[in-house]
Amino acid sequence: GEDVEQSLFLSVREGDSSVINCTYTDSSSTYLYWYKQEPGAGLQLLTYIFSNMDMKQDQRLTVLLNKKDKHLSLRIADTQTGDSAIYFCAEGDSGYALNFGKGTSLLVTP
Amino acid sequence: DGGITQSPKYLFRKEGQNVTLSCEQNLNHDAMYWYRQDPGQGLRLIYYSQIVNDFQKGDIAEGYSVSREKKESFPLTVTSAQKNPTAFYLCASSTGTAGGETQYFGPGTRLLVL
Repeated sequence: GEDVEQSLFLSVREGDSSVINCTYTDSSSTYLYWYKQEPGAGLQLLTYIFSNMDMKQDQRLTVLLNKKDKHLSLRIADTQTGDSAIYFCAEGDSGYALNFGKGTSLLVTP
Repeated sequence: DGGITQSPKYLFRKEGQNVTLSCEQNLNHDAMYWYRQDPGQGLRLIYYSQIVNDFQKGDIAEGYSVSREKKESFPLTVTSAQKNPTAFYLCASSTGTAGGETQYFGPGTRLLVL
C-alpha cells in the first residue's frame, strides 16, 4: 500500500499539549484514523476524520487535516500519564483495508 | 457486551507445528481482518474476509490460512511454512470493506516459538 509516515517517539510533560504528526501519500484516502495502543493490548479507535474536513475536535483531542500537503496531526490537550501509549495513524483508501503507519510512542513524564 | 475476543492471549508453537488463533465477534459485522504486528512496525494485513465463506489474501499471506464458516468467527492458522511466526496478531472487524468503515480490534494474541 501507500506509505504512511510518523515520527517514532515523542516525550512531553504532564499537563502540556502533545502533537503527533502523520503524512500519507494516497490522495484518494477517504478517511483518516487515529488509533491508540497500550502495552500488550489491541488498538483502540480514538477518532477519525473525513477527507473533506479540515478539523475535528473531540474533548481533549483535536485532529487537523491538510489535504494539500497530505498531513494529519493529533493534538492531545492537557496530556496525562494515562495517555502514554503508541499512537497509529491510518488511512482508508478505496481498497479493502486500512494502511497503518509504524506508530508514535508517546511518553508522558510527571 | 459487544466486541471482539481473541484467544489465547499467549500461544507457543513448536517447530513444524500448525497453530490456530481464534477470533470471535458479536458486533454483527460482515468484514473481518487479521493483522500481524512486529516490534516497532505498523500493522501488516494477512487475510481479510468480506462475507461468510469468502476471504482474500492480504500483503503477507504466505504461511497462513483462514476460514470463514460463520459470520462471527474468523480463525487464523499459522502453518509450519511460516518461518518467522513470532509476532503479535490482531483481529479486527468492520461493517464492510467498501473503504473507510471503522475497524474495531480485539485484544491480540502473542505467538512465540519454542
